[in-house]
Amino acid sequence: TQLLEQSPQFLSIQEGENLTVYCNSSSVFSSLQWYRQEPGEGPVLLVTVVTGGEVKKLKRLTFQFGDARKDSSLHITAAQPGDTGLYLCAGATWVGGGTSYGKLTFGQGTILTVHP
Amino acid sequence: DAGITQSPRHKVTETGTPVTLRCHQTENHRYMYWYRQDPGHGLRLIHYSYGVKDTDKGEVSDGYSVSRSKTEDFLLTLESATSSQTSVYFCAISEFGGGNTGELFFGEGSRLTVL
Repeated sequence: TQLLEQSPQFLSIQEGENLTVYCNSSSVFSSLQWYRQEPGEGPVLLVTVVTGGEVKKLKRLTFQFGDARKDSSLHITAAQPGDTGLYLCAGATWVGGGTSYGKLTFGQGTILTVHP
Repeated sequence: DAGITQSPRHKVTETGTPVTLRCHQTENHRYMYWYRQDPGHGLRLIHYSYGVKDTDKGEVSDGYSVSRSKTEDFLLTLESATSSQTSVYFCAISEFGGGNTGELFFGEGSRLTVL
């Protein structure tokens, strides 16, 4: 069974601070996705990283895929109250075969609260 | 927003009763998924479908069954609900298989409470 350990589980910070969320595994993934979820809604995709060592930026959010494709991080610069939410990482592995299905394994999530 | 509708959005039922959750999509995507979300566990896959009448088990499939008779509808059935199945259930769809960097689009969730 593949596991994705996400840390920290909870993060409470003040507006303007920086933060990093980590997503670690002993398994290799073909790609790594990050989702953000607000209360009462389903998760929404933020980014997908595919290549080992890849770095993607989305405004104040920076996503990195580890060189060995086993881990990833999300860094937020100058956090704002609008960043509050649940952040989920999900690692993809290719099952292949007739179903052409790629299995997604989700981390436990990080609940981020940014106080004004 | 992707056209995904889950029903019911909220349900309270008693142990031992059958429950069916419905997911309806208007995107004509091939893949459909049922996840459950519980505190400290993230999202766990229950069942998924890769086409009409083509379904397979996920990591937490015990006590659940699914059916997909049309592209747009994916039903999740709890034959005899138990308290451990109290959870928030999310339906998701994707155009490509999830491992092929395919983005998942999620519904708004169905909160089920089993007393």
